Amino acid sequence: QSALTQPPSASASPGQSVTISCTGTSSDIGGYDYVSWYQQHPGKAPKLLIYEVSKRPSGVPDRFSGSKSGNTASLTVSGLQAEDEADYYCNSHAGSNIFVFGPGTKVTVL
Amino acid sequence: QVQLVESGGGVVQPGRSLGLSCAASGFTFRNYAMQWVRQAPGKGLEWVAVISYDGTYKYFADSVKGRFTISRDNSKNSLVLQMNSLRADDTAVYYCAKDYKGYSSGRYGMDVWGQGTTVIVSS
Repeated sequence: QSALTQPPSASASPGQSVTISCTGTSSDIGGYDYVSWYQQHPGKAPKLLIYEVSKRPSGVPDRFSGSKSGNTASLTVSGLQAEDEADYYCNSHAGSNIFVFGPGTKVTVL
Repeated sequence: QVQLVESGGGVVQPGRSLGLSCAASGFTFRNYAMQWVRQAPGKGLEWVAVISYDGTYKYFADSVKGRFTISRDNSKNSLVLQMNSLRADDTAVYYCAKDYKGYSSGRYGMDVWGQGTTVIVSS
């Protein structure tokens, strides 16, 4: 199972946007539209933000959006708020019902 | 309310076994695939295993394949992760999580998570 790559950190000021990339291969991100994104605050369980690349579960603000191009998926947080400061993880189907997480990106609200 | 509660964590010696349980409530458990995800201290999330809604299909990360098994009892709304031949690098918080969509095999994300149970493998 290959690893996904994410930048270790990202930051922006309140009200601005931040985009987090998640790069894999044609065996995972590039091969399937089963990419999901999670937000995790310290000491808490992860929260599902995006599934199937760009779909939002009910209750997730539309400030969170997802996309994919080739082997790279992206999560954009628009109108950044203080409570968005957290770790963000991508997850992809990697064939044969195997899944893989990215290493996570720590988002700081300046 | 929809809830998952893990139990069974603790301190275990290398090479020994431990079973984790996950009790589900507030949703139709038998309709959803379930997954286990772990997080080592200070590290990121690691996918561990998935079981289909009816228990027919089970898949594992390479790091645990052959050592861990996953099972479910839909009559009791319960999920189990049996961990054998434990190693130090299995030390982590273990979360059970529910698939977002029913009758899938884990592809649509995990929308409900438990609070996690801590496993420490140490002599």
